[in-house]
Amino acid sequence: ETGVTQSPTHLIKTRGQQVTLRCSSQSGHNTVSWYQQALGQGPQFIFQYYREEENGRGNFPPRFSGLQFPNYSSELNVNALELDDSALYLCASSLVNEQFFGPGTRLTVL
Amino acid sequence: GIQVEQSPPDLILQEGANSTLRCNFSDSVNNLQWFHQNPWGQLINLFYIPSGTKQNGRLSATTVATERYSLLYISSSQTTDSGVYFCAVDGNTDKLIFGTGTRLQVFP
Repeated sequence: ETGVTQSPTHLIKTRGQQVTLRCSSQSGHNTVSWYQQALGQGPQFIFQYYREEENGRGNFPPRFSGLQFPNYSSELNVNALELDDSALYLCASSLVNEQFFGPGTRLTVL
Repeated sequence: GIQVEQSPPDLILQEGANSTLRCNFSDSVNNLQWFHQNPWGQLINLFYIPSGTKQNGRLSATTVATERYSLLYISSSQTTDSGVYFCAVDGNTDKLIFGTGTRLQVFP
């Protein structure tokens, strides 16, 4: 059974650019959630996808968008990057309630 | 929304000591998970425990849902237990709300 994977592991962008992060869910899981973790804080919920539809969104602006594909993998897109977007981005997959996390993508915005 | 508080914020132990981490939450939940975040940022599932008691080796957890708290016990701590421990809850919204974590350092 393959766990949750994310790519890339690290990314450096400049302010104003756009970025796409990718996540492959654990085998058999149909729900993917994305979280942002700033340094020294707990993860904050961005949004969740269930069967290719957005199923809940946290307090993040519209420049944070996502997709889920038929194989349940997912993308997180962030437009017009700001310095405060620098963080660890975590993807989690689930089938019922318990969520399992990937290793994260560390994004640095300069 | 649901508030999650963890205590203590920091904990320093010598190898072999026992510890108890606490998580208080402000409303009823249908999911509560404990995680250990390693130095590389990976969140490792410890327990899925919306109620009751579970044990896994040197770790055990108890959630008293009616009193809105959960406890994580670490016995005979090892240096590899170092890291940040997070409690996260879900109040039937399918999103996990995380506490601010407990940073544990175990010295030999």
